[in-house]
Amino acid sequence: EVQLVESGGGLVQPGGSLRLSCAASGFTFSSSWMNWVRQAPGRGLEWVAHIRKDGGEIHYVDSVRGRFTISRDNAKNSLYLQMNSLRVEDTAVYYCVKGSGWLTMNWGQGTLVTVS
Amino acid sequence: ENVVTQSPDTLSLSPGERATLSCRTSQTITYTYLAWYQQKFGQAPRLLIYDISTRASGVPDRFSGSGSGTDFTLTITGLEPEDFAVYYCQQYGTSPLTFGGGTKVEIK
Repeated sequence: EVQLVESGGGLVQPGGSLRLSCAASGFTFSSSWMNWVRQAPGRGLEWVAHIRKDGGEIHYVDSVRGRFTISRDNAKNSLYLQMNSLRVEDTAVYYCVKGSGWLTMNWGQGTLVTVS
Repeated sequence: ENVVTQSPDTLSLSPGERATLSCRTSQTITYTYLAWYQQKFGQAPRLLIYDISTRASGVPDRFSGSGSGTDFTLTITGLEPEDFAVYYCQQYGTSPLTFGGGTKVEIK
């Protein structure tokens, strides 16, 4: 069974930094694209970034490019999101999502980031 | 960016009725890379349909997807109490991946 457990969320001041982690199990992590998707309180879903299985291809949504960095450690079955220069509008639940190609297939339960 | 628009915002129906949700993309999607997700309150989204019309594992056959090009539909035939939720469509053929704003299916 695919399991994705996010951690690292919390309260941070505008301009601050936070690093999210996602521990993956139940599948071959090194064979899967991985994503971060966020959802602001009471709002819809916004895809943030994804990374190819070998880390060799990465894409970001424009609103975070240059501030956020997605990375992975296949030896540790872990996905990361380094978030710098945080803004109030980055407040959201951040989901770690396993991909099948670019399809966002299996979702973690999310971790809440509050910028205030 | 391929903008995704869903309609209506809210659908008020009774159990047993048929729900028809619409999704439109601003550009023709790449291949058949269009998906639908269900999200219940306080839960993570769940993949329902991918490649326009393929049901994900464990999804009941009352859920069906159709469409092509820029216009797509999710149909729920015979709403069950557990189907009242928010539904999102998404194109995953071009970066950035984009979601529609969602359609809430509520009990009438």
